[in-house]
Amino acid sequence: EPEVTQTPSHQVTQMGQEVILRCVPISNHLYFYWYRQILGQKVEFLVSFYNNEISEKSEIFDDQFSVERPDGSNFTLKIRSTKLEDSAMYFCASSGLRQGKQPQHFGDGTRLSIL
Amino acid sequence: AQTVTQSQPEMSVQEAETVTLSCTYDTSESDYYLFWYKQPPSRQMILVIRQEAYKQQNATENRFSVNFQKAAKSFSLKISDSQLGDAAMYFCAYSGGNEKLTFGTGTRLTIIP
Repeated sequence: EPEVTQTPSHQVTQMGQEVILRCVPISNHLYFYWYRQILGQKVEFLVSFYNNEISEKSEIFDDQFSVERPDGSNFTLKIRSTKLEDSAMYFCASSGLRQGKQPQHFGDGTRLSIL
Repeated sequence: AQTVTQSQPEMSVQEAETVTLSCTYDTSESDYYLFWYKQPPSRQMILVIRQEAYKQQNATENRFSVNFQKAAKSFSLKISDSQLGDAAMYFCAYSGGNEKLTFGTGTRLTIIP
């Protein structure tokens, strides 16, 4: 069964540094998402992406965050200047149809630790 | 804005028994989808079951079934014949007119051997 893959599985970064989290969505999917889960808390929506542009973003997704689909297969989340509170598990998800008509499939996540 | 509430932070069940996890949601939309995701200690997010709001019939997937009460905005998950591998955090989630999933706070399920 096709999978969403995320790299790295764990990223440790100094506060203030830039970090890029990478995702390879399922190949025929068109809708891409990033979510975040701070340890012990619920999963929170960050951003959705379709047709090479952001379709929706949450309050968390401020100017420090950006997303890109650089080459038609990868989908990246960049945090420009990381803060301690950015420490979390970051999940990428993709789906072939929008609005729940097809379930979102999640990657295994990247654990981001900010020191 | 849509909200999803899971009022049971923790539940436990004897192996082979049945357990029901509760979820309520608030929305003004008429067309939406509801999901249960499982998150084992490895922290993957695994889809368990999906319900379309316009369908009256409750979704089932093997040992997993839901009790969807649209008027009450309730969407509970029943796990029959519980197995040790069912131990995980279970998240209820909503998807409506926009594309994002809105998650509840989760229920940690423990299976007692």
